[in-house]
Amino acid sequence: KQEVTQIPAALSVPEGENLVLNCSFTDSAIYNLQWFRQDPGKGLTSLLLIQSSQREQTSGRLNASLDKSSGRSTLYIAASQPGDSATYLCAVRTGNNRKLIWGLGTSLAVNP
Amino acid sequence: GAGVSQSPSNKVTEKGKDVELRCDPISGHTALYWYRQSLGQGLEFLIYFQGNSAPDKSGLPSDRFSAERTGGSVSTLTIQRTQQEDSAVYLCASSLEWTGGRGYTFGSGTRLTVV
Repeated sequence: KQEVTQIPAALSVPEGENLVLNCSFTDSAIYNLQWFRQDPGKGLTSLLLIQSSQREQTSGRLNASLDKSSGRSTLYIAASQPGDSATYLCAVRTGNNRKLIWGLGTSLAVNP
Repeated sequence: GAGVSQSPSNKVTEKGKDVELRCDPISGHTALYWYRQSLGQGLEFLIYFQGNSAPDKSGLPSDRFSAERTGGSVSTLTIQRTQQEDSAVYLCASSLEWTGGRGYTFGSGTRLTVV
């Protein structure tokens, strides 16, 4: 059974810092992995999608890496801003199964 | 539409009543998913639609929960005889059969409170 864990559960940093959020999964036979952002009272925004054959994806200040063999993904945020404050969720899709398995998220606060 | 639309955004209901939650996916998206997010817990898969059929409804927690999709578009999640443990945010997402791109687009959710 696939399980997804995110560490840390919460993170508070001063503006401008580079930071790393971690996601681990127990079954390496994944189809893809996605990072999402969730703002209070709002839906989920897809940030980056990494296919199983890829090692990383980049979008602006965000970079996500994937190491299938070790069951890990990291989301790197460069030069953090207060507007980055949100909960970041990692989700994996396994094989032909359409559903996503989710971590509990990392709550990020970037302080001005 | 431009995005996934869910209604209502908030619903407070009395225990034992039935509720209907609506999801209007992005036009042309053939796949539609319902998830539930309870306080302090991760997102929980409920059901997946491909067109109007539901190949995977394994996540529906009990027979009080049902969902349908018509015209390959709008979906309705119905909860009968609501219980307090049904209180959660219900999220809908849609995707192309295979995007190879951003994957899934989520709506803003319906926050259900059973009192």
